[in-house]
Amino acid sequence: QITLKESGPALVKPTQTLTLTCSFSGFSLSTSGVAVGWVRQPPGKALDWLALIHWDDDKRYSPSLKSRLTITKDAAENQVVLTLTNVDTVDTATYYCAYSRFTSRSSGYDFSFWGQGNLVTVSS
Amino acid sequence: DIQMTQSPPSLSASVGDRVTITCRASQSISNYLNWYHQKPGKAPKLLISSASSLQSGVPSRFSGSGSGTDFSLTITSLQPEDFATYYCQQSYRTPLTFGGGTTVEIK
Repeated sequence: QITLKESGPALVKPTQTLTLTCSFSGFSLSTSGVAVGWVRQPPGKALDWLALIHWDDDKRYSPSLKSRLTITKDAAENQVVLTLTNVDTVDTATYYCAYSRFTSRSSGYDFSFWGQGNLVTVSS
Repeated sequence: DIQMTQSPPSLSASVGDRVTITCRASQSISNYLNWYHQKPGKAPKLLISSASSLQSGVPSRFSGSGSGTDFSLTITSLQPEDFATYYCQQSYRTPLTFGGGTTVEIK
């Protein structure tokens, strides 16, 4: 059974760095064809993809946030970490991590399992 | 980036109604199109992948169709648990992009 769970702060001040951890079970991020992604959702708004990390450590980022995002994995610890630097109030959102198989590099991703989400508010 | 446009943004329907939601891509994405639904305060749930492949455990009243740029999600005989927001997502290439969502409300 695949499960994911996000953890991190609920409140962050503007200009600070946000660090979120996705802890998962039921799969290995060392297995070919597996990826973990991050998606966020501002209150009342649509889903917004942020980043992906593949089983072989290949990483993909949203172009609009690429300069501020870093995604890393610790396969042995079954964790994926997302950092977002220099946060602003517009980064207030629920942040989800999700599991995906993929069919070929850069395509075929479907997020079949999701964490419960971590609501992050950016405010001074 | 590939833009995904859903319509309508919202709709009101009754239990038992047939509902169709459409999603249009700004360029051809073959069949690399997924559908999710999301209930308030919950994570999205994958319903359909590759435009028409129903996920395990998803009721057969859900179906997806389309290829290229135009796609649709149909719910035959809407049930109370189907009132939610629905999102399409293209997986043709990164950056992955989602549609703006369609909220299905009770009439």
